[in-house]
Amino acid sequence: KQEVTQIPAALSVPEGENLVLNCSFTDSAIYNLQWFRQDPGKGLTSLLLIQSSQREQTSGRLNASLDKSSGRSTLYIAASQPGDSATYLCAVRPGRGSTLGRLYFGRGTQLTVWP
Amino acid sequence: NAGVTQTPKFQVLKTGQSMTLQCAQDMNHNSMYWYRQDPGMGLRLIYYSASEGTTDKGEVPNGYNVSRLNKREFSLRLESAAPSQTSVYFCASRASVTLHFGNGTRLTVT
Repeated sequence: KQEVTQIPAALSVPEGENLVLNCSFTDSAIYNLQWFRQDPGKGLTSLLLIQSSQREQTSGRLNASLDKSSGRSTLYIAASQPGDSATYLCAVRPGRGSTLGRLYFGRGTQLTVWP
Repeated sequence: NAGVTQTPKFQVLKTGQSMTLQCAQDMNHNSMYWYRQDPGMGLRLIYYSASEGTTDKGEVPNGYNVSRLNKREFSLRLESAAPSQTSVYFCASRASVTLHFGNGTRLTVT
């Protein structure tokens, strides 16, 4: 069974810092990996999706990398802002078996960016 | 611009009561999912539906039933609620690669 771990569980930084969130997974046979953002009391919003054949994806100040062989992904946030405060979740879609698109989620990193 | 809509937003039940959580999406997606989110546990899949008329168990299906009424709607039913089912429930739908989530139903069972 795929297990997804996110480190750190919580992170508090001053505005302007560049930061890295880590995600690791136990089975490297993945179809894709996705990073989500969750605001308090809200659902999840997809930030970036990396297919298994890709090494990274970028969207604005966000950059996600994937090293499938080592079972790791990182989400890099440049020049953090208070509006980035949220919980960030990593999820993998297995590459084998009849999983019908289900995702395995990490427990998330709760990020606070203070002014 | 609705996306995935869940009702109700909040619910309190007594042990043994039943209720149905409703989910509807307006994006013409085939696949729909029910997840629960618990502190320290992350999101876990309860049931999913690859298309209208089909449903399959996920990781934690015990105590739940689902209905894929049509392409738009996927409901989750608790027949006899238990305190262990206190959680936040999320419905999601998928077209190709990206999941779209509703805002969740926060359920408390006393």
